[in-house]
Amino acid sequence: EDKVVQSPLSLVVHEGDTVTLNCSYEVTNFRSLLWYKQEKKAPTFLFMLTSSGIEKKSGRLSSILDKKELFSILNITATQTGDSAVYLCAVGTSLNYGGSQGNLIFGKGTKLSVKP
Amino acid sequence: GAGVSQSPSNKVTEKGKDVELRCDPISGHTALYWYRQSLGQGLEFLIYFQGNSAPDKSGLPSDRFSAERTGGSVSTLTIQRTQQEDSAVYLCASSLARGASYEQYFGPGTRLTVT
Repeated sequence: EDKVVQSPLSLVVHEGDTVTLNCSYEVTNFRSLLWYKQEKKAPTFLFMLTSSGIEKKSGRLSSILDKKELFSILNITATQTGDSAVYLCAVGTSLNYGGSQGNLIFGKGTKLSVKP
Repeated sequence: GAGVSQSPSNKVTEKGKDVELRCDPISGHTALYWYRQSLGQGLEFLIYFQGNSAPDKSGLPSDRFSAERTGGSVSTLTIQRTQQEDSAVYLCASSLARGASYEQYFGPGTRLTVT
């Protein structure tokens, strides 16, 4: 069965700290890994990763994928209170095979709380 | 351009009643997805549409759940004879095309509470 596991489930830090969120996966026919930020209801897209070892950056956020070890990390440097949210990791599989047929399989998320 | 919109934003219903949830995807997006998020859980895939057809209904939890999409645009998710375990946030997403190479953009969700 395809699965995505995120750790830690929750994390409390202070402004200015750097955090690393983890996502490991076991899926049939991996295609992509995506990170989303969910503050209230709608998850907002952060990154899509398809190749190992290529870091994607957006401001203070960065992410990298390791397809050999089947995991990804999301780094946030110099955290701010506005970074408080649930961060969701999702893995997409190839369309032409069985299993999830191109759907996104989501982990349960990491709840990040940044204290002032 | 407008993002994905959903209505209503909140719905409280009595057990046994039917509810309809609406999703209006981003214009031009051919693929549309429905997910359910229960408290403390990740997103659970329900169904997707490519155009008006729904080739994959495997995620629907029971035959009380159905969905349709008309004109390749708006979709409705219908839950008949609602049960308390149906209480969750129902999220809709759309993408340019089907497949894991296209990021999905989410709507704000409908919070359904069954009393």
